[in-house]
This record gives sequence, C-alpha cells and structure tokens, in this order.
Amino acid sequence: DIQMTQSPSTLSASVGDRVTITCRASHNVNLYLAWFQQKPGRAPKMLIQRSSILESGVPSRFSGSGTGIEFTLTIAGLQPDDFATYYCQQYKSYWTFGQGTKVEIK
Amino acid sequence: EVMLTQSAEEVKEPGEPLKISCRGSGYSFSAFWIGWVRQVAGKGLEWVGVIYPGDSNTRYSPSFEGQVTMSVDKASSTATLQWNNLKASDSGMYYCVRVGEMNVLLAPLDQWGHATLVTVSS
Repeated sequence: DIQMTQSPSTLSASVGDRVTITCRASHNVNLYLAWFQQKPGRAPKMLIQRSSILESGVPSRFSGSGTGIEFTLTIAGLQPDDFATYYCQQYKSYWTFGQGTKVEIK
Repeated sequence: EVMLTQSAEEVKEPGEPLKISCRGSGYSFSAFWIGWVRQVAGKGLEWVGVIYPGDSNTRYSPSFEGQVTMSVDKASSTATLQWNNLKASDSGMYYCVRVGEMNVLLAPLDQWGHATLVTVSS
C-alpha cells in the first residue's frame, strides 16, 4: 500500500494569501498524483492531475508541482471560493488519498 | 456532460442486505472503469473497488474484498454496490467514481457522483 501524508492538516489564511499544501508519498508515485477540492456537502472535484496539469475550468491561481514522493499544491492569491478541504491522491498503485488539508479563514 | 447519478440515502439495520446504484451518462459507459469511494468522517477517503463495464472485470481494495460485491448492467449504464449482511462499520458516504481514461485502469478518479449516504444502525 502507498500511504499519502498531507501537511498541514489545517491552514488558516486570508483572502489574497499565497498558500502551499504538501503531500508526501510512502513510495515513488512518479507523476501519478492528483489534487482535489471538497466543499461541505459536495463531492470532491479534481483540480490537477499528473502532478501539474490543471483541469479545464480550474483557475490559474492553482498550481501543482513535484515528482516521486514529494508534491505541492499552491494557491496564488486565495479567493473566498477557495476555502475548502484539499486532498492529494496517488494513482500509481490503485488509489490512496491524503488525510486532507482544511483551508479556513483566518 | 458527464454525470454519475446515484441512488438515494439508505438507513438499514445490521444484518440486512443492501444494494446502491450509480447510472453513468454523457460518455461511453462501457469504456471507462467505474467504482466506489467511501468517506467516513474522521477517516478520510478510501477506495472500495472498481469494475470495467466492458467485461465486468473487477478490482477490490483489500479492505473491502469479501465485504461487498460490485456489478454492472451495460444496457442501463448502471453500476451497483451490494452488501449481503450489513454491519455498523459499513456506514458512510459512498461516492460513485469514474476512472478518467478510456480503457485504462490506473488513472485519476475524474468524475464523482453526489454520494449515497448509508447508515447502518439498530
């Protein structure tokens, strides 16, 4: 099993801030890493796949990077709509998710 | 537009059977693996299993193998997850998910249904 560990678990930030979430895999997942955003009562929505490829319609303030075991999701200029929980997901060996990072209003 | 439409919330007692469903639309249903992810508060997201509608080939997470059964009906573009003997620990939100590349097993889970809440309680 590939374990995924996100940090931090909670992040307090203000509108306009640049925020970074880190995801570490227990084994090499190459570029097979996706990021999801989930809002309360809603299904997760994929933002990024293949570590850095933005899904259609996702604002360009979101970006992803990394390869192997260390990945980051950056939101450049946090907007009110971005307060949510973010998950990483590896798909090198079936699927496992990080435990989530809740981005809350400071 | 790709949609995964799930069946309604279920409340059951331990020991009862249950079947929940997911209808895919807006894409070639037979060509994409489809499956299930469970979300339980405090335990995050776990994949349950996936099935390939083209030949009903299945893959189960070791955590769920033997506990659930997946099936698919190509004629109605519907995937099903069933339990024969529910336990309280089966409670959770069950999302129907699509594996996001045609005929490929290991790809990101790109489409999600709205979830079916399963509550098992006496």
